[in-house]
Amino acid sequence: KQEVTQIPAALSVPEGENLVLNCSFTDSAIYNLQWFRQDPGKGLTSLLLIQSSQREQTSGRLNASLDKSSGRSTLYIAASQPGDSATYLCAVTTGNQFYFGTGTSLTVIP
Amino acid sequence: NAGVMQNPRHLVRRRGQEARLRCSPMKGHSHVYWYRQLPEEGLKFMVYLQKENIIDESGMPKERFSAEFPKEGPSILRIQQVVRGDSAAYFCASSPLIAQGAGELFFGEGSRLTVL
Repeated sequence: KQEVTQIPAALSVPEGENLVLNCSFTDSAIYNLQWFRQDPGKGLTSLLLIQSSQREQTSGRLNASLDKSSGRSTLYIAASQPGDSATYLCAVTTGNQFYFGTGTSLTVIP
Repeated sequence: NAGVMQNPRHLVRRRGQEARLRCSPMKGHSHVYWYRQLPEEGLKFMVYLQKENIIDESGMPKERFSAEFPKEGPSILRIQQVVRGDSAAYFCASSPLIAQGAGELFFGEGSRLTVL
């Protein structure tokens, strides 16, 4: 069964720092990997989707990379802002099923 | 194009009552997923449906819980005889049908159930 792990569980950084969030998965036979953001009391917002044939995707200050063979993805956030404070989750799909990590809780300190 | 719509956003029930949660997927999406999230915990998969079919209900408790996605209308997650342990946020997500299976996943804002 696919297992998804996110490290660290929590992260606190000063405003302006660049940071990296990590996601690892045990079964490399995935169709895609998706990064989400969840604010307290809210649903999940899709940030980036990386197809299995892709190596990375970029959206604004966010860059996500995918290394299928090693079962790893990273989410890079440049020039962090207090508004980036949220929980970030990654999910992989092996077809019809999505497997989620438990998330990294990010706090950006003004 | 409206997003995934869930209602009610908040629901309060007394023990033993029934809770019905509704989810309208994004237009053009034929895959619907239900997840449960307890405070300070991750998302737990419950059930995956396509129109008129339950594809995978391996995450759903065998008793009291049921789900449907009729040909017309929203998907419904039904919890009978609720207990305090059912208190949680229930999220619905939808995905379009693509050749290899489900594609990008989009979430609703969730329905927060409180059982008194």
